[in-house]
Order: sequence, then C-alpha cells, then structure tokens
Amino acid sequence: EAGVAQSPRYKIIEKRQSVAFWCNPISGHATLYWYQQILGQGPKLLIQFQNNGVVDDSQLPKDRFSAERLKGVDSTLKIQPAKLEDSAVYLCASSLVASGGALSTGELFFGEGSRLTVL
Amino acid sequence: AQKITQTQPGMFVQEKEAVTLDCTYDTSDPSYGLFWYKQPSSGEMIFLIYQGSYDQQNATEGRYSLNFQKARKSANLVISASQLGDSAMYFCAMRFANQGGKLIFGQGTELSVKP
Repeated sequence: EAGVAQSPRYKIIEKRQSVAFWCNPISGHATLYWYQQILGQGPKLLIQFQNNGVVDDSQLPKDRFSAERLKGVDSTLKIQPAKLEDSAVYLCASSLVASGGALSTGELFFGEGSRLTVL
Repeated sequence: AQKITQTQPGMFVQEKEAVTLDCTYDTSDPSYGLFWYKQPSSGEMIFLIYQGSYDQQNATEGRYSLNFQKARKSANLVISASQLGDSAMYFCAMRFANQGGKLIFGQGTELSVKP
C-alpha cells in the first residue's frame, strides 16, 4: 500500500515570495490534514479536510495561507506572501476515520513532509 | 484547555536498557485517545501505540508499552530493550471525541540510544 506522498521535499524561497505544497493521501482515506512543524516543536494543525470539505481551519493564517482539496483526493497548501516565521516542515497526514471518534485507533498516516526555508 | 506536556526535551539510554518517556495531559473531556508517534531524522511520523481513555488495560505493542494513569493524567511511553534505531524524536498526542479526528501534539522528547 502506497503511503502519503508529498512534494517538494525541500523548498527555499525569499520572504514575500509564494510557495505551494502538494499532498496525495493514502487511497480511500477521507480525511486529510496539514500540519506545520516548526523546528523543536510538535506539529500544529493548520487545516483538516473531510473529503473536499473543510472541517477545521481555525489555526490557518488565512491572510497568507490557503489550502484546497477540490476532488476530495489530493490537496495543495499555498503560502503567499511568505514570512520568515513560516520556515518549518509542512506535514500532510490522512486517516480513514471521518468522525474522529476518540474511542477508535484511526491513526493518522503521515508523509515525509515538505521542509520550507524562508530567507 | 486541552494541552499535552512532555517535560523531557532530551533523554539518553544505553542500548538494551529500558527507557520511559513522560507525557501528561490536561482535559476535562472524559472521552479521548492517546497516541505516541516516533519521528526519525527522515521526518516521517510513525505511529507506535494507542490508548483509549476507557481502556481498562495498558496498551502494549511489541517493545512499546503505555503506562496509563488516568487519575494523574499521564500516559508515559516505555520502550524496553532499546535499540540504536530507536534514536529519534517521540511525540505524545491526544484526540478528543467530536473534534473531527485531529491530533494535538506535545513538544516532543529527543531520545538518543548509546551503544
């Protein structure tokens, strides 16, 4: 079974430029998550999709970040314009669990991440 | 507020010995799930073990076990017979019912296994 695919693995840009990250989840996984992991910290959820609808985007800086999952499969996360503090690893994850019941394992499967450096 | 705390930024353990990684949490929600993930230098998050808040027994998965103390709100990870390949970042995470399945992560603990 193929895992979560992300690209690019690495990206270096200057501040105020734009960047886009792509994620293809595990086949059949309805739920897709984008996490931001700043160096030395745990991942922080940016946005969660269930199929092609947004479930939670409360921590997404909407003035500069956007994300879409048009056909309910792969997803794109965009940053425009980038700031120095956006330097981080952007992790995509997917799961079978749609409702997220805490009493099920329904673990998230993560991709290898996209490392962004903003100069 | 729902919060996960990992107080050990870094830990060292000798190969073949056991090690405990601490995790405490704060929630008033009675229904939740606790997870541990491993993140090697490659960056991918690898699921290790899960414990539900209503589970009566501590979870075990091979060399991993979860020491779940509900009253103390702690969910420590125990790794037995440490191996060099266990060197990585370890994250404790929680999921709450009716929050869409998202995980809330702690700050992580970096484990180094010495030969």
